Amino acid sequence: RKEVEQDPGPFNVPEGATVAFNCTYSNSASQSFFWYRQDCRKEPKLLMSVYSSGNEDGRFTAQLNRASQYISLLIRDSKLSDSATYLCVVTPSGGSNYKLTFGKGTLLTVNP
Amino acid sequence: ETGVTQTPRHLVMGMTNKKSLKCEQHLGHNAMYWYKQSAKKPLELMFVYSLEERVENNSVPSRFSPECPNSSHLFLHLHTLQPEDSALYLCASSQAGRAFFGQGTRLTVV
Repeated sequence: RKEVEQDPGPFNVPEGATVAFNCTYSNSASQSFFWYRQDCRKEPKLLMSVYSSGNEDGRFTAQLNRASQYISLLIRDSKLSDSATYLCVVTPSGGSNYKLTFGKGTLLTVNP
Repeated sequence: ETGVTQTPRHLVMGMTNKKSLKCEQHLGHNAMYWYKQSAKKPLELMFVYSLEERVENNSVPSRFSPECPNSSHLFLHLHTLQPEDSALYLCASSQAGRAFFGQGTRLTVV
């Protein structure tokens, strides 16, 4: 099993739709979780951290399920500008938290 | 502006040239990274430095040589590259798992 797995998509949704991505991880000792977005030909940018209790930032909601070892990202009321590749990142705790394990990304296209 | 600066932004080099990519971060982070990203492909981790010590080297050819003189600077020295090395090279720094990337150097080897 790969360390971090994401559905590569592509996901094609109309504006205003709700879309969700999942990311599974294999290392149960993983401690920190993040979602990044990467626009075409640009660098990845931190979108949001994922907290154990779940967290929301505007139209974006991130959740963590430690029992099933996955994180999710929900985007409500999709905008054209949400079109990007979404990457999940998993890191261990403590002194090894420099180990960033990136998923391969899920491509989202929001259509007018 | 993420606090991670890469230069140059674009580079065209011949296969016999020697060039260096530079990365600088002013975030006080203790880890720095080089990634390669070919067109429409996922990120490939090349090197990781933690507290100025190289902790990972993912079977990268010796024609790529990293250097981390201090916690704020990272270089990638390039020599005798091949056309298949043409890609976007991204530097990143991180602290407690949160990573910030530079805008990348788009490298073309001719």
